[in-house]
Amino acid sequence: NAGVMQNPRHLVRRRGQEARLRCSPMKGHSHVYWYRQLPEEGLKFMVYLQKENIIDESGMPKERFSAEFPKEGPSILRIQQVVRGDSAAYFCASSPRAGVDTQYFGPGTRLTVL
Amino acid sequence: AQTVTQSQPEMSVQEAETVTLSCTYDTSENNYYLFWYKQPPSRQMILVIRQEAYKQQNATENRFSVNFQKAAKSFSLKISDSQLGDTAMYFCAFTTISGAGSYQLTFGKGTKLSVIP
Repeated sequence: NAGVMQNPRHLVRRRGQEARLRCSPMKGHSHVYWYRQLPEEGLKFMVYLQKENIIDESGMPKERFSAEFPKEGPSILRIQQVVRGDSAAYFCASSPRAGVDTQYFGPGTRLTVL
Repeated sequence: AQTVTQSQPEMSVQEAETVTLSCTYDTSENNYYLFWYKQPPSRQMILVIRQEAYKQQNATENRFSVNFQKAAKSFSLKISDSQLGDTAMYFCAFTTISGAGSYQLTFGKGTKLSVIP
């Protein structure tokens, strides 16, 4: 049973470009969380999605950031017009059901903005 | 708002010895879960152990155990017989239902543990 998959593992963008980060949850999991980790910091919650629905985006910046989890395919975190401050590791986690439960993490995508 | 505090930015332990990592949290909720995650140099987040707040018995997983003190809002991790592979960042995390209906994890800033041969 494959774990949570994220790609790419490393992404380099120039200021002003778009970044697309993908997350495939574990098989049977329909709940996806996105977190951001700045250098020397813990992970910070960004958004929680179920299939085709955004449930909680309270941790997501209001501009330039968006997320989706379509009926088919991976969850996508999209960052438009990236700035240097977006450089961070972005982690996706999945869980099998709603409610308090263990979240299983992917390996993360390290975004570097030049 | 929930907060998680890890007061030890760095710790070291001799191989085969025991070390305890501290964590305190603040919440007004009664139903919640606590976790310890390990992040080795590969940066993968690995679940070490979890504790349900309604359970009085402390969780254990092989060499890892917790001391959960609900009244004091304390959740420390004890690692026995430390191994070189235990070298990593350790994050304490908390989850409960949020006002928006999600179960987001709130993380502490982490403790960097080095196991010395």
